[in-house]
Parts: sequence; C-alpha cells; structure tokens
Amino acid sequence: GENVEQHPSTLSVQEGDSAVIKCTYSDSASNYFPWYKQELGKGPQLIIDIRSNVGEKKDQRIAVTLNKTAKHFSLHITETQPEDSAVYFCAAFRYSGAGSYQLTFGKGTKLSVIP
Amino acid sequence: DVKVTQSSRYLVKRTGEKVFLECVQDMDHENMFWYRQDPGLGLRLIYFSYDVKMKEKGDIPEGYSVSREKKERFSLILESASTNQTSMYLCASNPPGGAREQFFGPGTRLTVL
Repeated sequence: GENVEQHPSTLSVQEGDSAVIKCTYSDSASNYFPWYKQELGKGPQLIIDIRSNVGEKKDQRIAVTLNKTAKHFSLHITETQPEDSAVYFCAAFRYSGAGSYQLTFGKGTKLSVIP
Repeated sequence: DVKVTQSSRYLVKRTGEKVFLECVQDMDHENMFWYRQDPGLGLRLIYFSYDVKMKEKGDIPEGYSVSREKKERFSLILESASTNQTSMYLCASNPPGGAREQFFGPGTRLTVL
C-alpha cells in the first residue's frame, strides 16, 4: 500500500517568517494530495489540495508544490501568524481498484508560531 | 456548511465494556469514515462505508466493527474495549468520487480503564 512520510514532526517559527512542511509518497498511482489543518480540540479541516496534473497551487499565504518525479509535495505558509499554530497533515489519494480507493495520511507536523 | 457531529467529546469506559461511538452528517454524503488518531501515528483508517449497509475494512479494523443502517449515521463499535483502544476517534464524510475533501467531526476522546 501507499506510505506517506512527513517532516518535520515539530516546527517552531517566529511570527512573520515562512514555514515549510514536506511529504513524500511511495505509490506513483497517487493523484490527489490534500493538506489538513487541525486546531486544538477540533477535527482536521482541508486547507489546500493539489492534483497530479498541477505542479503548484496557491491560496493567499498558503501554497503547495508537487514533484511527481521525485514523489514529494510540500506546504508553504508565508507571513506566519499565531493563528497558524496547529497540527498539519498531508495525505495521498489513489484508486485501489474495484471501485475502492485509499487516502493515506502522514503522521502530522505540529507548527508553533511564536509572537 | 457541512456538519459532522459525534455523540460524545469525552468518554470513559472500563475494560471489557461494549462501546458505541456515533457519528451523524447532515449533507447527504455517501461516504463515511472512522479514523483513530494517536500521537506520532497520525490518522489511521479503521473502517469506511460507501453506502447504507455497506462497509469496508481500513488499515486497522481489528477489535472494531461498524454499522450503517441509515445514510446519515455511521457507528463504530468496540465489542470488548481494551486499554490499547484508548485514543481519539474521528469520523469523516464526503460525497462520492474519492478524491474530494473529507469533512471531519470534532472527535471523541475515549479512555478505557
């Protein structure tokens, strides 16, 4: 099955700096890569996603890049703010045949933005 | 807005008890999921369902079962709770198609003593 590695597990940045979280995946059949943000006491919430036919996608201060050849994708947060502090999960999606599919999550990155 | 609700935020049970975790979604989604979240292990899929009365095993189904009698409700059952099932349990749903956003509930923190 798919294996998703996520790094780093914890990340501290000063407010206003950029943060980068990296993920690698193992199965070249994976074609959809969402990023979820989980705030304390809440369930994860989608913040951005990218499909395999796109190399980069941006939404205000958040961007995601995908390198299909190297099988890695990254989340970039610019001008970080204290409310960006949360746990971030990457995931990789692939169809696994017979109408079934698989979404595999990374182990998460705890981002702390220091005011 | 999609809303996924879970019956309890916190639950404390004793070893050997039968435990029911309930999840309800209000957006008429076909797909529903149960995950377990543990520190350092991320989210792991326990079971999922594509339709009423349909269920599929995820990555860690051992010790769990599920029930989906109505489209909006997906229940996770621990037949005989054990201490290693102490965890955060997250329910999610999404429309058919697979490669689409999953909407998560707030989670149930289960402690088995």
